[in-house]
Amino acid sequence: KAGVTQTPRYLIKTRGQQVTLSCSPISGHRSVSWYQQTPGQGLQFLFEYFSETQRNKGNFPGRFSGRQFSNSRSEMNVSTLELGDSALYLCASGPDRPNYGYTFGSGTRLTVV
Amino acid sequence: AQSVTQLGSHVSVSEGALVLLRCNYSSSVPPYLFWYVQYPNQGLQLLLKYTSAATLVKGINGFEAEFKKSETSFHLTKPSAHMSDAAEYFCAVSVTGANSKLTFGKGITLSVRP
Repeated sequence: KAGVTQTPRYLIKTRGQQVTLSCSPISGHRSVSWYQQTPGQGLQFLFEYFSETQRNKGNFPGRFSGRQFSNSRSEMNVSTLELGDSALYLCASGPDRPNYGYTFGSGTRLTVV
Repeated sequence: AQSVTQLGSHVSVSEGALVLLRCNYSSSVPPYLFWYVQYPNQGLQLLLKYTSAATLVKGINGFEAEFKKSETSFHLTKPSAHMSDAAEYFCAVSVTGANSKLTFGKGITLSVRP
């Protein structure tokens, strides 16, 4: 059973640019969540999508957005990049049962210069 | 809202020694609790989870955790540390319903001395 696939693994962008990250969940999982991990703030929840609808949202500015497609694949977009957006972005997929736990991808390491 | 407290940021043990990583949670409704491990430059791997069944939960790699409602704790233990256990460990809480996201603690880095 294939795991959660995130692409690309590494990304370097310039301040002011925008970036799109991709996540393919485990087959059959309809929930996809995104987390930002930084040394200072730790793991912070960005948003969750379920069946193409945003179901939950964290406390991030509107520059952070996402979407989910009919095949459950999800993309996350960050516009007008700032240096502070440098982080490991993790995607997690799961069934519609929070007690099952979530399976995480290896993440996309974004560096903003 | 839910929260997790992991006391201390770094724990160091000798190989073969007991591993104890502490986690306390706060939740106004019955929680689901998880321990994840993260190796350098990798994502999070689920070690074990508490989902309101048995209070003593066994996970992968010899780890286990005990849910204690009276102490609002979910400490992670392993009887004998291996060098390969060196990693960062995260405790997380979730609840049923619209707010079913994972809320993580700050994480604890485990070092294992030969």
